[in-house]
Amino acid sequence: AQKITQTQPGMFVQEKEAVTLDCTYDTSDPSYGLFWYKQPSSGEMIFLIYQGSYDQQNATEGRYSLNFQKARKSANLVISASQLGDSAMYFCAMREGPYWGNEKLTFGTGTRLTIIP
Amino acid sequence: DTGVSQDPRHKITKRGQNVTFRCDPISEHNRLYWYRQTLGQGPEFLTYFQNEAQLEKSRLLSDRFSAERPKGSFSTLEIQRTEQGDSAMYLCASSSSGGTGTEETQYFGPGTRLLVL
Repeated sequence: AQKITQTQPGMFVQEKEAVTLDCTYDTSDPSYGLFWYKQPSSGEMIFLIYQGSYDQQNATEGRYSLNFQKARKSANLVISASQLGDSAMYFCAMREGPYWGNEKLTFGTGTRLTIIP
Repeated sequence: DTGVSQDPRHKITKRGQNVTFRCDPISEHNRLYWYRQTLGQGPEFLTYFQNEAQLEKSRLLSDRFSAERPKGSFSTLEIQRTEQGDSAMYLCASSSSGGTGTEETQYFGPGTRLLVL
């Protein structure tokens, strides 16, 4: 089974609209971390936001927020007021188990987001 | 503070040649990771170091691949007898240890794009 599933290969969104990128994950470990990264065409992976499995509140970082639904095992990224510079690939990733001794990230296949002016 | 740097950014080589890539992590980070990303996929974990110790290797890391971090600072990834299937983006990331939550976040470099002819 896929550990991280991103079901939207591509999305087109009008500038200034909000966008939700879907991510579901699969783990039996009670301790895990979820990350979202942005990858522009230049190739660098840019960290956006983190959610820990024990965090009570949904994570927010500026225009980015994470809609964390633990029972459904989903961690959707919400970008408010999208901008042209948001056009990129977006990857959801998971670290299973407590952070010590379980450092590797497992990534999904990504969603290509295109913002239309 | 500078981010993670990688050199070279691009490498074209002929099948059978050896190649070596370098990664310089964020200076205060003691953990360093290597990932490989093929076209249309998310990054896949290869190996990671804590200081100079290589603590985990993926089965993707065949015996033609070797990684070192001799002084716990920069790291090199060498591929011997390259094959066309080695063509990919090789990403390096670094993080600190001992933290929780966002403190464990892995920050990525710009990657090295390898093309094996």
